[in-house]
Amino acid sequence: GDSVTQTEGQVALSEEDFLTIHCNYSASGYPTLFWYVQYPGEGPQLLFRASRDKEKGSSRGFEATYDKGTTSFHLRKASVQESDSAVYYCALSDQGYQNFYFGKGTSLTVIP
Amino acid sequence: GGIITQTPKFLIGQEGQKLTLKCQQNFNHDTMYWYRQDSGKGLRLIYYSITENDLQKGDLSEGYDASREKKSSFSLTVTSAQKNEMAVFLCASTSGVSGNTLYFGEGSRLIVV
Repeated sequence: GDSVTQTEGQVALSEEDFLTIHCNYSASGYPTLFWYVQYPGEGPQLLFRASRDKEKGSSRGFEATYDKGTTSFHLRKASVQESDSAVYYCALSDQGYQNFYFGKGTSLTVIP
Repeated sequence: GGIITQTPKFLIGQEGQKLTLKCQQNFNHDTMYWYRQDSGKGLRLIYYSITENDLQKGDLSEGYDASREKKSSFSLTVTSAQKNEMAVFLCASTSGVSGNTLYFGEGSRLIVV
């Protein structure tokens, strides 16, 4: 079945550090890929998504590129801020458009 | 824009008790979901519904019932609450169109005493 793997469970960085959170997926065809962010006390909210091979999604300085060859959608940000501290989820939507599969989440802590 | 409202925000019950969580959305979305969120385990699907009166089981449906009596609402019942079920329950909805965004409520925390 379809699945999403996030390698990092917890990440701690200092402000202005470079961030990478790895996301690999397993799915047939061309799923839509998402990054969601969840702040304390809130539900997850969409950061951005991508639907085609080589498409780049971006928002608030975060970006990720859909790579069908390596089945990856890694999240990157050049310079993190304390306000980026949150849990980040990689997800995919299958081609039936009803099912969403989430990774286990990565808790990011940015130390000022 | 729209909003998903989950009630209650905190649900406290005793072991063995039947407990119900409610979710309302005003997006006019067709498809609604219930996820369970446990730290380090991500979001796991309990039930979803693609239209009024439809129910589809997710990977974690055992021990839960769901009801979609109208398009805007979706409720989840824990049939016999256990202490190892304490978690945050998230309701979500989407229009069901290709690759469309999933919108979430703020979550309901279940506490079993």
